[in-house]
Formats: sequence, C-alpha cells, structure tokens
Amino acid sequence: DIQLTQSPSFLSASVGDRVTITCRASQGISSYLAWYQQKSGKAPSLLIYAASTLQSGVPSRFSGSGSGTDFTLTISSLQPEDFATYYCQQLNSFPHTFGQGTKVEVK
Amino acid sequence: EVQLVESGGGLAQPGGSLRLSCAASGFTFSSYSMSWVRQAPGKGLEWVSVISPSGETTHYADSVKGRFTISRDNSKNTLHLQMNSLRVEDTAVYYCAKKYAPGTFPLDDWGQGTLVTVSS
Repeated sequence: DIQLTQSPSFLSASVGDRVTITCRASQGISSYLAWYQQKSGKAPSLLIYAASTLQSGVPSRFSGSGSGTDFTLTISSLQPEDFATYYCQQLNSFPHTFGQGTKVEVK
Repeated sequence: EVQLVESGGGLAQPGGSLRLSCAASGFTFSSYSMSWVRQAPGKGLEWVSVISPSGETTHYADSVKGRFTISRDNSKNTLHLQMNSLRVEDTAVYYCAKKYAPGTFPLDDWGQGTLVTVSS
C-alpha cells in the first residue's frame, strides 16, 4: 500500500499568513493526488485534484503543486474560514489512502 | 444539487453486523463510482471501499476486506455497506462519497456521515 506522510501535523498561523503543507508519498503516484479540507464536525470537502487543479468554487488563494512523491498545498493568505484540518489522498492505486492530516490552528 | 444521506448507524456488539445505506439524489447515480470513507473519533480519514457505476468492480481496504461488502441498487439510487464481524476498532463516522469520475479522480461530494459504535 502507498503511505502518505503530511507535514507538519499541526500548524499555528495568523490571518493573512502564507501557509504551506506538504504530502510525501512512499512511492511515485504521478499527479494522482487530491487535497481536502475538513472543518470541525463536518464532512470533508474537495479543494484540489490532479495535484494542482482547483475544484470549482474553491477560492484562488488555495493552490497545489508537485508530482511523483512530493506535493504541496499552499494557502496564499490565510482567512478566518480556513482554520481547519487538511488531508491529502492518493488516487494512483488501491487502497486510496489518506495522509494523517494537518490541523491549521489560530496562532 | 447533489445530496448524499447516510443511515443505518448505531450501536453494535463486537462480532455483530450492521448495514449502512446512502440515499443519493441530484445526479445520475448509475453513472458514478461511489465510496465509503470512515473517521474514528478524533482521528483522521480512512478510505474503506469503492464500487464501480455498474457494481461489477469493488475494492476494499485491508482492514475491512472479507468482513465488509459494498453494493449498490441503481434502481433505487442507494449505496450500501454491509458490515459483519464488527470490531471495536470499526467505531467511526462513516461517510459515503461520490467520485468525480471513475479511476484516478477524487471524491467531490460527501454525505454528512453516520456514526457506528462497536462496543459490548
């Protein structure tokens, strides 16, 4: 199975900060990576797929990059509604594993 | 508007069974692969299973293989997860989710989840 390791697991930031979360795969997954946001008590929502394609309706401050084994989710200017937990998921092969999550908290 | 509504969660004893359902609306259900994802209390997301649009192809996480069965009824726009031989570690919120497209595409719509608690 492909393992995904996110870093950091916790991140303290302020409104307006530029935030970067990384996701490393245990083997190459081309660009078959998605990012999700989950707010407390809610279902996850899709942010980015194919490593860098923004899902419809997602603000442009979110961006993704990478291919192979190393991927990045960037929030260019953190907004109050962005404090949440973020997960990466690989879709290259079954099982479609998730990373362990990165919680973005208020500094 | 896509709607996915899970039901069937509740309390089960270790070794017992539960059947989850997910009622879908707002899209052509029979054209999309569907998945189950779970989240144990205070933990991260765990992919559980996926089923193709026709129901012919399924995949499972190793942690549930041989115990859980995913199925669908395209005539009733409903997804199911039959969970047998339940273990305490199966305790989680179970989400059904629609795949954006078959294959390497992500989950673009999610239900609100249903809680399964396995305890004696």
